[in-house]
Amino acid sequence: AQTVTQSQPEMSVQEAETVTLSCTYDTSESDYYLFWYKQPPSRQMILVIRQEAYKQQNATENRFSVNFQKAAKSFSLKISDSQLGDAAMYFCAYKSANSGYALNFGKGTSLLVTP
Amino acid sequence: GAVVSQHPSWVICKSGTSVKIECRSLDFQATTMFWYRQFPKQSLMLMATSNEGSKATYEQGVEKDKFLINHASLTLSTLTVTSAHPEDSSFYICSASVQGYEQYFGPGTRLTVT
Repeated sequence: AQTVTQSQPEMSVQEAETVTLSCTYDTSESDYYLFWYKQPPSRQMILVIRQEAYKQQNATENRFSVNFQKAAKSFSLKISDSQLGDAAMYFCAYKSANSGYALNFGKGTSLLVTP
Repeated sequence: GAVVSQHPSWVICKSGTSVKIECRSLDFQATTMFWYRQFPKQSLMLMATSNEGSKATYEQGVEKDKFLINHASLTLSTLTVTSAHPEDSSFYICSASVQGYEQYFGPGTRLTVT
């Protein structure tokens, strides 16, 4: 079974600064997807960014970007120009490329944004 | 687009009773739906995977007779917690998927068993 590890239970960043959340995973598969989800206090899961393993180019979505290192099995999330609304739990998730497979989540990182 | 709803958003029930949670994909047809459970300050744990018209596949350690899942149509899946006990109190989240790629999450249901 694939495991997803988020080694930072909590992180803090000042408004307008940049923060990087780390994620590593373990898999023997060559084709898979990686995701970062945000869960604010409302507890609604929100997709932040996704990366297909076969793509070498790192995904970006506005202020959010990833550093995908396939050989190292590392998938970190960089949030630039942090905003108060970015405060939330962030979950890294892995999904096999096989259809119908569920997401495998890491334990999450709680991000605090200070004014 | 790609909206998933859950009903109810919060339910309180007495120990020993059963409660049903609905998960609906509002603007798309979901071939697969997933049910997760989340305890406070913890991650999401997959309970089961259901495909329309077939029996759900439960994760190891999840009692299928206690957590009944029905996926009768491409837009509706239900989770019934039978003979609920206080330890079943948790936050239940469903997600819906089209052809297994991206999952769209419902807003979750908080279950409190007294």
